[in-house]
Amino acid sequence: AQKVTQAQTEISVVEKEDVTLDCVYETRDTTYYLFWYKQPPSGELVFLIRRNSFDEQNEISGRYSWNFQKSTSSFNFTITASQVVDSAVYFCALSEAKYGNKLVFGAGTILRVKS
Amino acid sequence: GAGVSQSPSNKVTEKGKDVELRCDPISGHTALYWYRQSLGQGLEFLIYFQGNSAPDKSGLPSDRFSAERTGGSVSTLTIQRTQQEDSAVYLCASSASGMGSGNTIYFGEGSWLTVV
Repeated sequence: AQKVTQAQTEISVVEKEDVTLDCVYETRDTTYYLFWYKQPPSGELVFLIRRNSFDEQNEISGRYSWNFQKSTSSFNFTITASQVVDSAVYFCALSEAKYGNKLVFGAGTILRVKS
Repeated sequence: GAGVSQSPSNKVTEKGKDVELRCDPISGHTALYWYRQSLGQGLEFLIYFQGNSAPDKSGLPSDRFSAERTGGSVSTLTIQRTQQEDSAVYLCASSASGMGSGNTIYFGEGSWLTVV
């Protein structure tokens, strides 16, 4: 069965600190996709990244980086030098090829960045 | 359109009334999804359309909920005889294709439904 666990309910950091958001997933499928979305106070879910199960290369995009490790079923997200505008709820999600494109979301992590 | 568009943005309705929520997906996207976000339940999948058909409607919580999609574009989610527990944000999303594709799913801003 599909399952996504974001153990951190809420994280508070001071601006310019680095912060890592954890995501652990469960799947029996060999072909699957992992996503991170950001939900700012406005409410819209903003796509950040997609990874397929065959590509374990880590990715960096500006201050954002993602660490995908199949051995530990984790897909962690790091924000370097955090800013107040990074304050949002961050969701990790999983879709399995055999279940179409249906996303299963984690519970989300609330990130508060204080100035 | 440029993004997924949903209407109304906010809806307050009396318990027992029917409501319709509308979604206009990104132009050319064949797959369309409805999700619900509520405080106690997080983000829940409701239904998935590929074109006008719904191969997966496993997330619809009861027979009061239904959805349709016409012309491979606009979709309407209907909730009949609304209950207070239906209060939530209803999110629509679309992607370039569906089954097994792993395509990125883009979300609209949601329709906030409050049942009083």
